Amino acid sequence: ETGVTQSPTHLIKTRGQQVTLRCSSQSGHNTVSWYQQALGQGPQFIFQYYREEENGRGNFPPRFSGLQFPNYSSELNVNALELDDSALYLCASINPTGGTEAFFGQGTRLTVV
Amino acid sequence: QKEVEQDPGPLSVPEGAIVSLNCTYSNSAFQYFMWYRQYSRKGPELLMYTYSSGNKEDGRFTAQVDKSSKYISLFIRDSQPSDSATYLCAMSASWDMRFGAGTRLTVKP
Repeated sequence: ETGVTQSPTHLIKTRGQQVTLRCSSQSGHNTVSWYQQALGQGPQFIFQYYREEENGRGNFPPRFSGLQFPNYSSELNVNALELDDSALYLCASINPTGGTEAFFGQGTRLTVV
Repeated sequence: QKEVEQDPGPLSVPEGAIVSLNCTYSNSAFQYFMWYRQYSRKGPELLMYTYSSGNKEDGRFTAQVDKSSKYISLFIRDSQPSDSATYLCAMSASWDMRFGAGTRLTVKP
């Protein structure tokens, strides 16, 4: 177990709706990253939060947004859902003393219909 | 050309075999190299984490990084059916990781 928990585990939404995914990071880890993993592909970097500030973003549109809270838990929000947003969304908790050593949660599987 | 290339397989080996998994990359700025194991419908599990070039061993697993060739490898000795999973290579220059597509491995009893 990595100590990183995500909720919910599965979610079905309709195109155009909004969704919020949640992540509790490993104790002591003040950095969290979010990744999108399409079926049969490797994870793709969405963005990273460090001490409640976004400090890096991948090639995702602004309708993907996030928050990090003082206890280092985090949220990923996606507005105006599209069918292509269907994927496994992964939260990674980063070891602050280990470069980019990252520990993933079990993911949230989002299906957009 | 993708930044990280990984043969998706599938790869099937008998129990006890030595497995070799590989990735190539194009970005010379990468300095952190990782291997993750992912079981079906689960999040990736960190197996090996290395910085810069060289070898690292952990039990049955050995990771090799050759920055001059932009090539990394993971070797699994005495493979077990429980090693059946998708193996993802990942690398990073700073704060974001770039992943390969994953190699699906099956170890047959």
